[in-house]
Amino acid sequence: DADVTQTPRNRITKTGKRIMLECSQTKGHDRMYWYRQDPGLGLRLIYYSFDVKDINKGEISDGYSVSRQAQAKFSLSLESAIPNQTALYFCATEGGNSNQPQHFGDGTRLSIL
Amino acid sequence: GQNIDQPTEMTATEGAIVQINCTYQTSGFNGLFWYQQHAGEAPTFLSYNVLDGLEEKGRFSSFLSRSKGYSYLLLKELQMKDSASYLCAVRALSNDYKLSFGAGTTVTVRA
Repeated sequence: DADVTQTPRNRITKTGKRIMLECSQTKGHDRMYWYRQDPGLGLRLIYYSFDVKDINKGEISDGYSVSRQAQAKFSLSLESAIPNQTALYFCATEGGNSNQPQHFGDGTRLSIL
Repeated sequence: GQNIDQPTEMTATEGAIVQINCTYQTSGFNGLFWYQQHAGEAPTFLSYNVLDGLEEKGRFSSFLSRSKGYSYLLLKELQMKDSASYLCAVRALSNDYKLSFGAGTTVTVRA
């Protein structure tokens, strides 16, 4: 079983719809992240959480919101989707030491029509 | 951002060696990571450097020079399955110890 699970894996929806992407982990990590990846732009941070009561905006948080329901769960919402939010979205987790890498989920491919 | 630069694309022949360079500008450097990402898949961790020098892991090695703000990933004995994007990521105090990612280098291995 995957340590970091994202659902759904693929989603096609229409402009203006509300969408929730979910992420759950079994690694016991406190730190969780949401990124989007666009061709030529690499991974850009949307939101991050260092523990259940901690939520922080990343570099491109406009149009997104998050909820950290438990240590293991971190969901990303698009309140009113727009076409330029079409991208590949990744959730990642990280342990508390600086030498530990981030572990990524398999991604959600989101298309907004 | 942390101004992380890496070449966009590289092509090499099966069995050869390829070196992917990464340069960065940051304050309070706290480590550099290399990830491999196959098309449409999740990035997977390859290597970590925090001190100057070379770290070797089988066919892959990574080098760091903190004074030059420079790292490279060396892939030896290239195989077709090494065709992927390689991401350089830097952790720094200036970014609240979060990772900042380069745009990635797409390596194509040809027979």
